[in-house]
Amino acid sequence: AQKVTQAQTEISVVEKEDVTLDCVYETRDTTYYLFWYKQPPSGELVFLIRRNSFDEQNEISGRYSWNFQKSTSSFNFTITASQVVDSAVYFCALRRIQGAQKLVFGQGTRLTINP
Amino acid sequence: DTAVSQTPKYLVTQMGNDKSIKCEQNLGHDTMYWYKQDSKKFLKIMFSYNNKELIINETVPNRFSPKSPDKAHLNLHINSLELGDSAVYFCASTLTGVPYGYTFGSGTRLTVV
Repeated sequence: AQKVTQAQTEISVVEKEDVTLDCVYETRDTTYYLFWYKQPPSGELVFLIRRNSFDEQNEISGRYSWNFQKSTSSFNFTITASQVVDSAVYFCALRRIQGAQKLVFGQGTRLTINP
Repeated sequence: DTAVSQTPKYLVTQMGNDKSIKCEQNLGHDTMYWYKQDSKKFLKIMFSYNNKELIINETVPNRFSPKSPDKAHLNLHINSLELGDSAVYFCASTLTGVPYGYTFGSGTRLTVV
């Protein structure tokens, strides 16, 4: 069975602080995909990143960076110099490469950036 | 030119009614999904269709019946609505074998009163 855990239910920081959202996953598959999605207050689900399990390079996109560590089954997401517009619920998700291609989501982390 | 469109966006109905939510995608994808997001924001898959064939059917009450007339459309019919069915329902699509994330619709907020 697959499982994704986002232990941080809510995080609140002041604008310009750096913040890291944790994601830990469980799977018996040796190859899989990991994702992060953002759900702003407007409610839509916005794709942020996909990572293959065989590619452990960290990725940076502007103020966003992702740290994938297969040894600890973690795929953490850091926002540098946070802004009020980053306020949203963030979801980590896991998908098998073979078989049924459903996304298994974590519980989500509600991030609030205060001005 | 919306990629995945759901209708209606909001739906308020009384307990016991029957209602449908429609989803259409113009991406050429062959697999479509329904996800339910509950009041605690938890997202869980309900159904998936690949080329009109049901391939995922999670533990969902049989009051929920999906229908896929073709690979671009996936509808969700709900009979005898209950208060607990209140949630946001998301449609999504993807292309088999292509390692993309899903493309999600904007969601349908269903409120049962």
